[in-house]
Amino acid sequence: EPEVTQTPSHQVTQMGQEVILRCVPISNHLYFYWYRQILGQKVEFLVSFYNNEISEKSEIFDDRFSVERPDGSNFTLKIRSTKLEDSAMYFCASTRAGYEQYFGPGTRLTVT
Amino acid sequence: AQTVTQSQPEMSVQEAETVTLSCTYDTSESDYYLFWYKQPPSRQMILVIRQEAYKQQNATENRFSVNFQKAAKSFSLKISDSQLGDAAMYFCAYRRGNTGTASKLTFGTGTRLQVTL
Repeated sequence: EPEVTQTPSHQVTQMGQEVILRCVPISNHLYFYWYRQILGQKVEFLVSFYNNEISEKSEIFDDRFSVERPDGSNFTLKIRSTKLEDSAMYFCASTRAGYEQYFGPGTRLTVT
Repeated sequence: AQTVTQSQPEMSVQEAETVTLSCTYDTSESDYYLFWYKQPPSRQMILVIRQEAYKQQNATENRFSVNFQKAAKSFSLKISDSQLGDAAMYFCAYRRGNTGTASKLTFGTGTRLQVTL
């Protein structure tokens, strides 16, 4: 069964550095998302992406964050100038139009 | 803005018994979807069941079923014949309709389900 994959599973970075989180959505899906979950809290929406542009973003998604679909398979989330409060689990999700979103296993980001 | 409320931070059920997890939501939309996701200790988000708002019939998936009360904006999850593997965090989620758009999921705060022998 097709699945969403994410790499790396765990990323440790120093405050102020840049990180890139990678996702490979399900191949026939058209809509892509990033969510984050701070430990012990609920899952929060960051950004949605369709047709090579951002559809919607939350207030969390400030100008340090960017997304890109550099080729036909990868979907990346870049965070510049990382802060301690960026430490969280980051989930990529994808869907075909109008259907449920399928989540990847997540990347645990630790900012020290 | 849409909100999703899960008022039970923790629930416990004995193996083989039935448990119901509550969820309420607030929306002014008429077309939307509701979901339950399971998050085991691995933290993977696993879709359990979905319900379309336009459907009156409650969704079922094997041991999992929902009680969807549209007028009351209530969407509870019933787990029958509970198994040890059902122990996890369960999140209720809302997505507005308009098929073809990249509508986001709005999640509740979750209910931690413990399954005891």
